[in-house]
Amino acid sequence: AQTVTQSQPEMSVQEAETVTLSCTYDTSESDYYLFWYKQPPSRQMILVIRQEAYKQQNATENRFSVNFQKAAKSFSLKISDSQLGDAAMYFCAYQGSQGNLIFGKGTKLSVKP
Amino acid sequence: GAVVSQHPSRVICKSGTSVKIECRSLDFQATTMFWYRQFPKQSLMLMATSNEGSKATYEQGVEKDKFLINHASLTLSTLTVTSAHPEDSSFYICSARRWVGDYGYTFGSGTRLTVV
Repeated sequence: AQTVTQSQPEMSVQEAETVTLSCTYDTSESDYYLFWYKQPPSRQMILVIRQEAYKQQNATENRFSVNFQKAAKSFSLKISDSQLGDAAMYFCAYQGSQGNLIFGKGTKLSVKP
Repeated sequence: GAVVSQHPSRVICKSGTSVKIECRSLDFQATTMFWYRQFPKQSLMLMATSNEGSKATYEQGVEKDKFLINHASLTLSTLTVTSAHPEDSSFYICSARRWVGDYGYTFGSGTRLTVV
């Protein structure tokens, strides 16, 4: 069975600084997708970024980028120029052949002004 | 585009009664929908996968007779919590898979269920 591990329950970053959230996963599949979702206090799940496993190039969405290391099964999220609105729970998720998403336990990100 | 409407957003019910939660895809057809449960400060746990026109597939440990899922149309899936008890109090979220475009997932805004 696939598993997703987020080892940082909480992280804090100063506004305008850069922070990296860690995620590792375990799978025997070769073709899969990885995601980072943001869940603000409203509890609405918001897609931050998506990575296809077959793509070697790391995905980037504006201030958000990932470091995807397939051999190491690592998928970290870097947030540059952090903003107060980035404060939220961040979940790493895996999607394999079964189609459903498997989530990590989440990292609570605080942004200090 | 790709909006999923989940209703109600909050519901309080008495112990022993049933509650229905609706998840509707507004602008796309969702042949597959997922139901998650989220406890406070915890992650999303998959409860079941529903496919239009067929029986839902439940995750291990989820009581299918308590959590009834119906996916009767391409745009609507419902979760009914039957004979609710206080331990069923939780945040329930639905998600619909898009089978066009980027084949991604769209989440509903969630339902906070409180059983008193």
